[in-house]
Amino acid sequence: EVQLVESGGGLVQPGGSLKLSCAASGFTFSDSGVHWVRQASGKGLEWIGRIRSKPNTYATTYIESVNGRFTISRDDSKNTAFLQMTSLKTEDTAIYYCTRHGSDYYDSGFDIWGQGTMVIVSS
Amino acid sequence: QSALTQPASVSGSPGQSITISCTGTRSDVGNYNLVSWYQQHPGKAPKLMIYEVNKRPSGVSNRFSGSKSGNTASLTISGLQAEDEADYYCCSYAGSSTWVFGGGTKVTVL
Repeated sequence: EVQLVESGGGLVQPGGSLKLSCAASGFTFSDSGVHWVRQASGKGLEWIGRIRSKPNTYATTYIESVNGRFTISRDDSKNTAFLQMTSLKTEDTAIYYCTRHGSDYYDSGFDIWGQGTMVIVSS
Repeated sequence: QSALTQPASVSGSPGQSITISCTGTRSDVGNYNLVSWYQQHPGKAPKLMIYEVNKRPSGVSNRFSGSKSGNTASLTISGLQAEDEADYYCCSYAGSSTWVFGGGTKVTVL
């Protein structure tokens, strides 16, 4: 079965750190770029960043609001991507989804999504 | 990078057609034919419905169609059914390897 499964969410204090994982199965993970999208409660989707595949030098891009605080990485040997979050703010509270494009070379839409993992930033 | 603009809500009766608009700028929607649409039911992950403005993934009903004119993309749902009641989000490539979503539209089947 083709799927993505996130884990690692939880409650963290403002200023703290958390590392999310996204485990892939059922497709050639190493060929895919991996994106992270978040959704605050009752709010819309927000794209936050991407990591490309090895042929594309594992290049990363982020939205401005998380740039310098969040880092996306991957371990192709474990079919897993990661979202390292530091200096967390209350406004980072959201469900975090990982997703992918069918190809790392063109945008064919985000065709596979994980179930999401909840991150709560609160004192 | 601002969110794309969608109406907060759209409603229709079963069997009717509805259209959801998604307005961006010349830097995103207007500059790339890379608009996609997602359906999200409460408590569920989004589901891809349309990509590259007007292409449907395998398994998505042909009642869903997409189009674009200038800086505005649109999703049309024809023959509205009860199961179409959900939130819908547009998304566009915004250049420099970034993407932007719309604020979302709640579709209600009357």
